[in-house]
Amino acid sequence: NAGVTQTPKFQVLKTGQSMTLQCAQDMNHEYMSWYRQDPGMGLRLIHYSVGAGITDQGEVPNGYNVSRSTTEDFPLRLLSAAPSQTSVYFCASSSGRSYNSPLHFGNGTRLTVT
Amino acid sequence: GQQLNQSPQSMFIQEGEDVSMNCTSSSIFNTWLWYKQDPGEGPVLLIALYKAGELTSNGRLTAQFGITRKDSFLNISASIPSDVGIYFCAGLQTGAQKLVFGQGTRLTINP
Repeated sequence: NAGVTQTPKFQVLKTGQSMTLQCAQDMNHEYMSWYRQDPGMGLRLIHYSVGAGITDQGEVPNGYNVSRSTTEDFPLRLLSAAPSQTSVYFCASSSGRSYNSPLHFGNGTRLTVT
Repeated sequence: GQQLNQSPQSMFIQEGEDVSMNCTSSSIFNTWLWYKQDPGEGPVLLIALYKAGELTSNGRLTAQFGITRKDSFLNISASIPSDVGIYFCAGLQTGAQKLVFGQGTRLTINP
């Protein structure tokens, strides 16, 4: 039972570099989302998707892009990394479009931008 | 955006003590969830509440969905060392497609 798998676990980038954080789930969940976790601020929603081909912005979308070409995968792209994007990133999924079901989280990607 | 105020921000207790934390909002939510995060891992769901006034237990954990639908609390009885971690509340509003999270309560237990 893999659940939600995130790669890589750790990443260091220089300012201006781009990269993609990978997220895959094997539970056939329609809903997927990306959060960032910063000290004292809880989890803040970056982008989410209610199904393949559909994405929408969350609370803090600037500087990030997403796509949902398959049900299983929901990659998060940083176009030009900035130190303010240093954070721990969590991918999460749940069943059903209505979202009235609990999120299952991956184990996170710790990103440092220097 | 919507805010959930979670308190306390941190707790330092002795093993065996009971723990209580809560989450409040100025807005109404129709679902409340409580998650726990262990170091280096993602949050894991503890309890889900779907109805105002609902009181639900999961072992030593008990959570309630406030009657006003603007608050929820989580109690842990007879704490043990593995209870250490960060506890998050999360709320979902009617028609919304995104959870709002509280800032978290960091629980530390002295043996």
